[in-house]
Formats: sequence, structure tokens, C-alpha cells
Amino acid sequence: SQTIHQWPATLVQPVGSPLSLECTVEGTSNPNLYWYRQAAGRGLQLLFYSVGIGQISSEVPQNLSASRPQDRQFILSSKKLLLSDSGFYLCAWTGDRGTQYFGPGTRLTVL
Amino acid sequence: DAKTTQPTSMDCAEGRAANLPCNHSTISGNEYVYWYRQIHSQGPQYIIHGLKNNETNEMASLIITEDRKSSTLILPHATLRDTAVYYCIVRVYGTGANSKLTFGKGITLSVRP
Repeated sequence: SQTIHQWPATLVQPVGSPLSLECTVEGTSNPNLYWYRQAAGRGLQLLFYSVGIGQISSEVPQNLSASRPQDRQFILSSKKLLLSDSGFYLCAWTGDRGTQYFGPGTRLTVL
Repeated sequence: DAKTTQPTSMDCAEGRAANLPCNHSTISGNEYVYWYRQIHSQGPQYIIHGLKNNETNEMASLIITEDRKSSTLILPHATLRDTAVYYCIVRVYGTGANSKLTFGKGITLSVRP
């Protein structure tokens, strides 16, 4: 069966520091991968999606970037965090049947 | 993607059926109805989806009206662990950009003992 992992689970970072969040999927190949963010008390916002290695589409211009160095690995990065980057970051994947499944999330607090 | 309208909140007693409504009057013929839920501090969990026929799985049943303008998610025997925010989403079935899920505010279901 397929499994999606995210780490770290929680992170507290100072303003201006770099960020790297990792997402990996097991049990499938060539998945479509997604990064979402959920700010406190708000809905999910799609940040990036990827249909293959090195292929990244950005939905919202912002202080973040994404990379897909391997088939089942998706990384979310920032060079300098802002207070507004705080939130709950979720990775998701879509298989052949089109249904999207989410990881456990990373809760980021920028101080 | 078509927009959906859900009540803000509802509650039900443990052990009883929870019926969660959703309106999607502008749904297109190729759009599916998806339901997800999000328990506090967890990632959204897929529940069920359908096009026009009623669907049932181990978690819930999905009833879609004949005109497809509304649907109801049914949790047949709600438990305290079903307390969560439930999202009704309509979107084109597929992958890539078409797989983008647009989450609204959802409905908060509170199951009381």
C-alpha cells in the first residue's frame, strides 16, 4: 500500500532563516505531488504541484520554492522565512485514479 | 471548479447517523463530488467521491441528487472520533493541474456523547 511521509512534524524557526521540508511517497511510482499550506483558522491553499522529476508548477507567487529531485521526493524550501510563512504544510499525492491523499503535515512556526 | 456551499457546523449524538449536506448547483457534467475530512492538527483524509450514482464504502455513503446540484454525506454510526471539519469539493477527475483540490471552509461536525 502507499504511504506518504513528511518531516519534520513540527518546526520553530526565526525570521530570516532558511527552510527545508521534505515529503516522500512509498508504494507507488511517478505520482503527482502537491504542497499545500493551511494558515491558522483558514482553508488549504495549493502552493506547488509536480507531475514528474524536475517539473514544478507554482500556484501562488511567494517566498517559497519547491523541487523534485527524485520520483517520490518533494521538497519545499525558502531562503529567508517571513512571519507570514507560519502554517501547517501538507504534502499530497495523486495516483492513477485521480484521488488525492495527504501526508501528516508539518507545523511551522516562524518567530 | 464549481463552488460548494456547506453549513458552518452541525452536531449529532454518538451512535446516530450524521447527514452532512452540500450544495453545488453549478457543477459541470464532468465534475465529481469529493468528500474529505480533517481532524484537528492532522492532514485531510479522503472519504469518498462520486459522479452521479450513490456510493458507499467502509467509511460513509454519498447520496447525490438526480440533478447533481446537491449531495449528502452519511456517516451511519457517528463516533466521537468522527468529530472533524468535513469538506465537500467538486472537481474534474484527473491528474496534474486537474487534481488541484480547492478547499472551502467546510462544515464542523461535533459528535456528542
